[in-house]
Amino acid sequence: KQEVTQIPAALSVPEGENLVLNCSFTDSAIYNLQWFRQDPGKGLTSLLLIQSSQREQTSGRLNASLDKSSGRSTLYIAASQPGDSATYLCAVSRGKAGTALIFGKGTTLSVSS
Amino acid sequence: GAGVSQSPSNKVTEKGKDVELRCDPISGHTALYWYRQRLGQGLEFLIYFQGNSAPDKSGLPSDRFSAERTGESVSTLTIQRTQQEDSAVYLCASSSRDRGKLFFGSGTQLSVL
Repeated sequence: KQEVTQIPAALSVPEGENLVLNCSFTDSAIYNLQWFRQDPGKGLTSLLLIQSSQREQTSGRLNASLDKSSGRSTLYIAASQPGDSATYLCAVSRGKAGTALIFGKGTTLSVSS
Repeated sequence: GAGVSQSPSNKVTEKGKDVELRCDPISGHTALYWYRQRLGQGLEFLIYFQGNSAPDKSGLPSDRFSAERTGESVSTLTIQRTQQEDSAVYLCASSSRDRGKLFFGSGTQLSVL
């Protein structure tokens, strides 16, 4: 059974810091991995998707890496801003077609000005 | 529509009543997911529809829960004889392909009194 763990559960940083969020998964036979952002009272927004054959993806100040063999992914946020405050979730797709995306419980990030 | 639409946005019901939640995916999206998020908890997978394939129902918590999807269109999640522990935000997401980038709706907040 695939399990996804995110560490830390919560993180507080001052504006301008670079930070790393961690995601680990128990079954390395994944198809892809996605990072999402969830704002209070709202749905989720997809940030980055990394295919299992890729090592990293970048979008603006965000960079996600994937080490499939060790079951780990990191989300790097450069020069953090108060607007980055949200819960960040990672999710993995299993190798078998037509199966569900499994989510971690998320890291709640607070960036103070 | 431009995004995934869910209705109602809020639903209050009495214990023992049946409820129906609706999801309109992005037009042309073949994949559709239902998730449940209890207060302060992570996303719990419920059911996944992909094209004409048999749905992945492995996440449905009991036989009180069922879901249908008409072709590649609207989906309804039905909860029979609701219980207080069913109180949660029910999130729907769609994707243009199996295990592709997910687009989430804003969710239905279900409260069972």
